[in-house]
Amino acid sequence: QVQLVESGGGVVQPGRSLRLSCAASGFTLRTYAMHWVRQAPGRGLEWVADISFDGSNKKYADSVKGRFTISRDNSKNTLYLQTNSLRGEDTAVYYCVRESIVVATAATYFDYWGQGTLVTVSS
Amino acid sequence: DIQMTQSPSSLSASVGDRVTITCRASQNINFYLNWHQQKPGKAPNLLIYAASSLQSGVPSRFSGSGSGTDFTLTISSLQPEDFATYYCQQSYSAPLTFGGGTKVEIK
Repeated sequence: QVQLVESGGGVVQPGRSLRLSCAASGFTLRTYAMHWVRQAPGRGLEWVADISFDGSNKKYADSVKGRFTISRDNSKNTLYLQTNSLRGEDTAVYYCVRESIVVATAATYFDYWGQGTLVTVSS
Repeated sequence: DIQMTQSPSSLSASVGDRVTITCRASQNINFYLNWHQQKPGKAPNLLIYAASSLQSGVPSRFSGSGSGTDFTLTISSLQPEDFATYYCQQSYSAPLTFGGGTKVEIK
């Protein structure tokens, strides 16, 4: 069965960095675009970044552009999010999410979510 | 950016009730609209994609409708396991955006 398992979260001081990982299993990672979505405590969902199946295209939310980098290693079935210059407002659970597509219409959707990893930015 | 507005932000309902949640996009998004359910402490779970397609394994009491700017998620007969927060999400253009959520509580 499809599984996405995030790791790498923790407590970090403002201005520092963390690298989040997402280990994928149960499917062929290299055939799917992938996303990171976050949720601040008690708040709604916020899309953070995405990466095409081969890593050639990446997009970022304005709130993280220039500070976060999404990447993937398809040979290791792993997705990454390098988070630099962390701020208090980056405190959130970070979810790794798989994107599927309806080929006939190009409609995309998030069909599998990981359990999330908590990043807390605090001095 | 496309703004997604859900209403109501919360509602109280009883088991067996018919529940309707509305989502409005700030511009035309055709049918590129998905619905997710989230229970406390858990990751979201896809219910409906492309406005009206039921995700595999999701009970048929859930349905979605709409196109353009106005969309609806309907639960035909609310079950105890349906008490959760529901989010709409547009996949029409980047940045992908979510509605603020609708919390469905027990009356």
